[in-house]
Amino acid sequence: AQSVTQLGSHVSVSEGALVLLRCNYSSSVPPYLFWYVQYPNQGLQLLLKYTTGATLVKGINGFEAEFKKSETSFHLTKPSAHMSDAAEYFCAVSPNTDKLIFGTGTRLQVFP
Amino acid sequence: DAGITQSPRYKITETGRQVTLMCHQTWSHSYMFWYRQDLGHGLRLIYYSAAADITDKGEVPDGYVVSRSKTENFPLTLESATRSQTSVYFCASSEGEGELFFGEGSRLTVL
Repeated sequence: AQSVTQLGSHVSVSEGALVLLRCNYSSSVPPYLFWYVQYPNQGLQLLLKYTTGATLVKGINGFEAEFKKSETSFHLTKPSAHMSDAAEYFCAVSPNTDKLIFGTGTRLQVFP
Repeated sequence: DAGITQSPRYKITETGRQVTLMCHQTWSHSYMFWYRQDLGHGLRLIYYSAAADITDKGEVPDGYVVSRSKTENFPLTLESATRSQTSVYFCASSEGEGELFFGEGSRLTVL
C-alpha cells in the first residue's frame, strides 16, 4: 500500500524566508508524486508533480520539489515566502496517476 | 461555464436520513473522485470512477454509494447518514495525468 507522511501540521515563516514543507512517501512501486495547495474555502489545485525524468520539479508560484529516492522524500521548497503563500499544502502519491493518496496536510503561515 | 460544480455547498441533515451530493463536470474527463476532508486526516478517497458505469472503492467507502450513468455526473449518496459522516466533501475530475480538478466542496453536517 502507498502512503505519504507530512512532517509538521503547521509551519510558520516570516515573509522573505525560505519555505520548506516535508513529505516522505511509502511505495512498493516507482511512485508518482504531487503537491497540491488549498486556499481557504476552496478546493485543491496542483502545484507540481513528479512522474519520470528530472528529479527537481518546478511548479507554479515559485515552488519546487526534489524527488530523492534514497530518502523516499519529496520536500517542497520556495526560496522566499510571500504573504499570499499562506495556505494548506498537501503531498500526494500514486502508483499510476489515476488515483491519488493524500497526506494529512501542512498549514503554512507567513508573518510580515 | 466550464468546470466542476458541486451541490449543495452546505447541507444540514439528521442522523438516519438519506443525502445525495451532486457533482457535475463539463470537461468530459474520464476520471472522477469523491474525497472527504477532516481535520487531522487530510483528504481520504471514498470512491472513484474511471469511466461511465465503472466505479471502485477508495480508502473509506463504508456508508456511501456512488453511480456514474453519464460521464459528466458522479453523485455521492449517504444512504443513512451518521454523525461521523459530518465532513467537507470534495469532488474532482481528471484525465489520468495526476492533475485533479477539484470542486469547491460540500460542507455536510449530520445532527
